[in-house]
Amino acid sequence: GQQLNQSPQSMFIQEGEDVSMNCTSSSIFNTWLWYKQDPGEGPVLLIALYKAGELTSNGRLTAQFGITRKDSFLNISASIPSDVGIYFCAGLPNSGNTPLVFGKGTRLSVIA
Amino acid sequence: DGGITQSPKYLFRKEGQNVTLSCEQNLNHDAMYWYRQDPGQGLRLIYYSQIVNDFQKGDIAEGYSVSREKKESFPLTVTSAQKNPTAFYLCASTDKGGNIQYFGAGTRLSVL
Repeated sequence: GQQLNQSPQSMFIQEGEDVSMNCTSSSIFNTWLWYKQDPGEGPVLLIALYKAGELTSNGRLTAQFGITRKDSFLNISASIPSDVGIYFCAGLPNSGNTPLVFGKGTRLSVIA
Repeated sequence: DGGITQSPKYLFRKEGQNVTLSCEQNLNHDAMYWYRQDPGQGLRLIYYSQIVNDFQKGDIAEGYSVSREKKESFPLTVTSAQKNPTAFYLCASTDKGGNIQYFGAGTRLSVL
């Protein structure tokens, strides 16, 4: 099936630092979503993007839908310990009624 | 509260045994999904159902079976044919035409 390349695979950062992660694909997507998963829990939606070029914020989080519709990035500003978790990108393909495609996740660790 | 309920939270399977994971939603969503999560593998789609009494195989359906007799329920059976069932299983749902998947809290399955 279709794949999303999410990077980096893991990050170790100091509290207060900014974080950036991204997803790329060889295919066009209609929608980009970013989720966060805490240990032992299901992913929770952070931001949804619906239009190419769209830039959306949710508190300290900012995400953008790439102009080419083949990529998206997520930035976290001034990281705090509770930002720890796995962040997933997901894209809705531009080809009929098909399920979301997920990246493999970015594991974020924050050092206080 | 509206949401997706997965049970049990932890499940143990003996060799050669079939086990069933429950997923119930009261969101009136049409589509439901089952994912398997292994460390570093992201979310892999097992089965999905877009309407009652219909379902499709995902990327890793072998060794699993599902049913969708009611809109609110989408149980997953891990059969004895699944030789490596130890994983975290996530159920999700979306409304008709919806792009956003909402997840349950997951079931962790281990082999005795």
